[in-house]
Amino acid sequence: GQNIDQPTEMTATEGAIVQINCTYQTSGFNGLFWYQQHAGEAPTFLSYNVLDGLEEKGRFSSFLSRSKGYSYLLLKELQMKDSASYLCAVRDHGRAGTALIFGKGTTLSVSS
Amino acid sequence: EAQVTQNPRYLITVTGKKLTVTCSQNMNHEYMSWYRQDPGLGLRQIYYSMNVEVTDKGDVPEGYKVSRKEKRNFPLILESPSPNQTSLYFCASRGVNQETQYFGPGTRLLVL
Repeated sequence: GQNIDQPTEMTATEGAIVQINCTYQTSGFNGLFWYQQHAGEAPTFLSYNVLDGLEEKGRFSSFLSRSKGYSYLLLKELQMKDSASYLCAVRDHGRAGTALIFGKGTTLSVSS
Repeated sequence: EAQVTQNPRYLITVTGKKLTVTCSQNMNHEYMSWYRQDPGLGLRQIYYSMNVEVTDKGDVPEGYKVSRKEKRNFPLILESPSPNQTSLYFCASRGVNQETQYFGPGTRLLVL
């Protein structure tokens, strides 16, 4: 079957670095996504990894290890506006079209 | 502006009263999906469509119907809503050669 695990909550302070981990089990891995979601709003795309390694995009980076079924999202120079839920999602070959399997999300609280 | 729109954004209804939530995208995307999001459960796919007249069940299709008569529209129909369908609903779309899903703003539904 398919399963995605990520921590439920994390806290950090402004200016710090935080790493949100995601582990997954899927029969036909076809890419891993990170989305940011502020309370009551739609998820917005942050990053996409399909090959092993690190993808950097400004203050945000995402890492993937397919052999370990593991990814992390790294947020640097944290700002108050980074307080949000971060969703890890996996695309599976066995699920047609647009199907993404989402983790339950990690709620990040950034304090001053 | 490229976007996914949903209507209504908020809806309070009573058990058994049929309702439709509309979803429209202006990006000529082939793939469209409906998700529901509930506390502690994350985003779960209800139905998806790979193109006009091609739809299939996601993970939680019970109590829902969809149709895809035009490429831009993908309405979600609740024939006889029940309180357990109280949730936050998101429509999403993606082009066949794109990786990113674009989410609509969400529809918050309360069934009494």
